[in-house]
Amino acid sequence: DIQMTQSPSSLSASVGDRVTITCQASQDIRNYLNWYQQKPGKAPKLLIYDASNLETGVPSRFSGSGSGTDFTFTISSLQPDDIATYYCQQYDNLPLTFGGGTKVEIK
Amino acid sequence: QVQLVESGGGVVQPGRSLRLSCATSGFTFSDYDIHWVRQTPGKGLEWVAVISYDGSNKYYADSVKGRFTISRDNSKNTLYLQMNSLRAEDTAVYYCAKQEETGPIDYWGQGTLVTVSS
Repeated sequence: DIQMTQSPSSLSASVGDRVTITCQASQDIRNYLNWYQQKPGKAPKLLIYDASNLETGVPSRFSGSGSGTDFTFTISSLQPDDIATYYCQQYDNLPLTFGGGTKVEIK
Repeated sequence: QVQLVESGGGVVQPGRSLRLSCATSGFTFSDYDIHWVRQTPGKGLEWVAVISYDGSNKYYADSVKGRFTISRDNSKNTLYLQMNSLRAEDTAVYYCAKQEETGPIDYWGQGTLVTVSS
């Protein structure tokens, strides 16, 4: 199985700050990497697919980059509505696997 | 709009069975592969199983293989998960999730809680 190592596990930042989350795969997954946002009590929501493509309707302050084994997710200017847990997920191979999540809080 | 609505969760004793359903609308159900994914506070998000658009292919996580069965009824736009020989570690919120044609899971249901406890 492909292991997805996500860091940090939590972070606290101020409104307007740039926030960066990293995800490392245990083997080459090409660009088959998604980023999801999950708010408490809600289902995950797709933000970024294929490592860097913004899902329709998602604000442009969210972005993703990377390929192979190393990926980055960025919120360019943190907003109060962005308080959530963010997960990376690979779909290069079954079983699909997820990172451990990053809980983002407002300082 | 795309909707997936899970049902069938509840409290069940270890060793017993439970069947989850996922009713869908807003898209052509028979065109898409559908997954079950579960989430626990301790282990995060864990993929459980996937079924191809026509039901011909099914894949399972090792943790549920031989105990869980994924199926679908394209005439009813509904996905199922038959869970047998349930264990305490199967306790989780179970989500059904639609896979986009190009690969990513793009829509999730709201989840149904399964608690395995004596």
